[in-house]
Formats: sequence, structure tokens, C-alpha cells
Amino acid sequence: SYELTQPPSVSVSPGQTARITCSGDALPKQYAYWYQQKPGQAPVLVIYKDSERPSGIPERFSGSSSGTTVTLTISGVQAEDEADYYCQSADSSGTYTHVVFGGGTKLTVL
Amino acid sequence: QVQLQESGPGLVKPSETLSLTCAVSGYSISSGYYWGWIRQPPGKGLEWIGSIYHSGSTYYNPSLKSRVTISVDTSKNQFSLKLSSVTAADTAVYYCARQEGGYGDLRLFDYWGQGTLVTVSS
Repeated sequence: SYELTQPPSVSVSPGQTARITCSGDALPKQYAYWYQQKPGQAPVLVIYKDSERPSGIPERFSGSSSGTTVTLTISGVQAEDEADYYCQSADSSGTYTHVVFGGGTKLTVL
Repeated sequence: QVQLQESGPGLVKPSETLSLTCAVSGYSISSGYYWGWIRQPPGKGLEWIGSIYHSGSTYYNPSLKSRVTISVDTSKNQFSLKLSSVTAADTAVYYCARQEGGYGDLRLFDYWGQGTLVTVSS
């Protein structure tokens, strides 16, 4: 089955840049989306179509894509950015279509 | 403003069927979009369960397909999830969400419900 692979954790100091990767064989053909989830809350979309930012999401959040890896970059990390981050894409190979989430990355702001 | 609200029993016995409903306000399900269910076991990651279009067309997670039914009631502007033969492994927070997509093309989830915890235990 199709999988998206994320590092379990990333740690950065305030003001530094955090980069969270997501790898998957279908990513060159399918868009990736990124969600931020804080404890006890529903996920919030922070990046769509690999690198687009929804309205209301701070400019310090950006996304990029290269081959089978997409990257969420948070520049000038703030304490409020501490959260779990999930990538999501879709697998439309074969005769079916389904949605896949990465395992999630816990961002710790030191 | 689009809002989604999950409802249903918080406790289900093993081998029984889990049933949840998602009420949508601020947007008519009949106007488009897919409508999906996602779950999250305590302390773990997100797992897509399945999605439905207002016409009734469905896509399911292959790992759950044999036990899942998602249906839509456009007259009540809500959609529902049924998961049969549940075990403790089905204990999770269940979210409903609106999903962009087209035929054979499922994309992002832009509006989410707050989630509801369902515990499977005797």
C-alpha cells in the first residue's frame, strides 16, 4: 500500500527555521497538503498544492517539492508553532483512489 | 461559514457497529465537494476512513473497506459513518471534514469538525 514517510520529530529554537519532510513515490504526480494539529484540536490546513498558503496562514509557513519529497518550512519559528504536522496526498494508481496521511511530525520549539 | 459537527455514541461494545453522523451548516452538501471521515487513535496519527459525494459516490480506505459504509442525507444536510465489527483498535477520535475533489481525484480537507471520541469497550 502507498505510504508517506515523515520524521517523527523535529526540534528548533525560537527564531530558527524548521524543515519537515514527507516522502512518497506518488508525490511527483500528486499534490501534497500539510496540516497543523495542536493538542485537543482538529487539524488545520497550512499548505495546499505543495506550496500554496491558505488565507490566514502566516507567511512564515511555506512548502516546496522536489521529486518524491515535499518539504514544509517554517521560518522564524515561534513558540505557538509547536504542534504535530501531517502531510497528506492521494493515491490514484490502479483502479482505485484513496487518501493517505503521513505518520506525523512533532515540532518542538526549544 | 462552514461548520461540521459529529454526533453519536461515545462508547461501543466490541463486535457491534459504530455509528456517527456529521451535521453540516453554512454550506449545502448538494452544492458539491466530497465529505470525509478521518480518525485518530489516542496518541497516534491521522487515518482516512472514506469520502462521499452528494450523489452517493464513495471512496474507502482499502484497509477498512470491508467494514465501512458512508452515506449521505441531503435533505438533512448531513452524512454518516457506520463501522461494523469493531474492536479496541477502533478506539479513536473520529473527525468529519469537507474535501475538495473530483472523480478519481481526492484532494485537501478544508473544514473539519471538532472530533468525537469513540471508545470500544465492554
